[in-house]
Amino acid sequence: GAGVSQSPSNKVTEKGKDVELRCDPISGHTALYWYRQSLGQGLEFLIYFQGNSAPDKSGLPSDRFSAERTGGSVSTLTIQRTQQEDSAVYLCASSLQGGETQYFGPGTRLLVL
Amino acid sequence: GESVGLHLPTLSVQEGDNSIINCAYSNSASDYFIWYKQESGKGPQFIIDIRSNMDKRQGQRVTVLLNKTVKHLSLQIAATQPGDSAVYFCAEAGNKLTFGGGTRVLVKP
Repeated sequence: GAGVSQSPSNKVTEKGKDVELRCDPISGHTALYWYRQSLGQGLEFLIYFQGNSAPDKSGLPSDRFSAERTGGSVSTLTIQRTQQEDSAVYLCASSLQGGETQYFGPGTRLLVL
Repeated sequence: GESVGLHLPTLSVQEGDNSIINCAYSNSASDYFIWYKQESGKGPQFIIDIRSNMDKRQGQRVTVLLNKTVKHLSLQIAATQPGDSAVYFCAEAGNKLTFGGGTRVLVKP
């Protein structure tokens, strides 16, 4: 596609439920990133995928968070047993190579009740 | 540790005037910086970047200045327009981006 796409655009869930967020990067981009943005705040790095290398998971806040990238393209961020503090906008970005300009998707707005 | 921060959280500017957004960084080894614009309800949008071997880079109505001596980055927007109203983030780029807290620019008609 022309840009990074994410789905769903909005997600409301109950505390304790699991959620899956999807990211489709720009075609041909080898690097994919997940960030979290709380209301009125900056962006918090979560995880980074580069080609077939092991992902950099250093930003994941707890073991309830995990992500996969299948076939070097689409990525899924999973949050298990969601908590209210998980409510935020989850942004995905991709870049042609690691360390180059990242292009962001529109984000998924997650609300945990 | 590394950090990238902004001096002003909110900037109110008259339409047609120039805007200057400032950013400080702490990692003197950083060699690549990006400015992003984020409009309400959207993801950050790339505006302009600069590498550490440059002091200045110009785009369309935007200029980024880099002062490595004091580890300071600025974004200048010429003839600010209502469509420039947004939150602006500077970011230090490596494998991941380290973002500043953001500056909200409000353009007054």
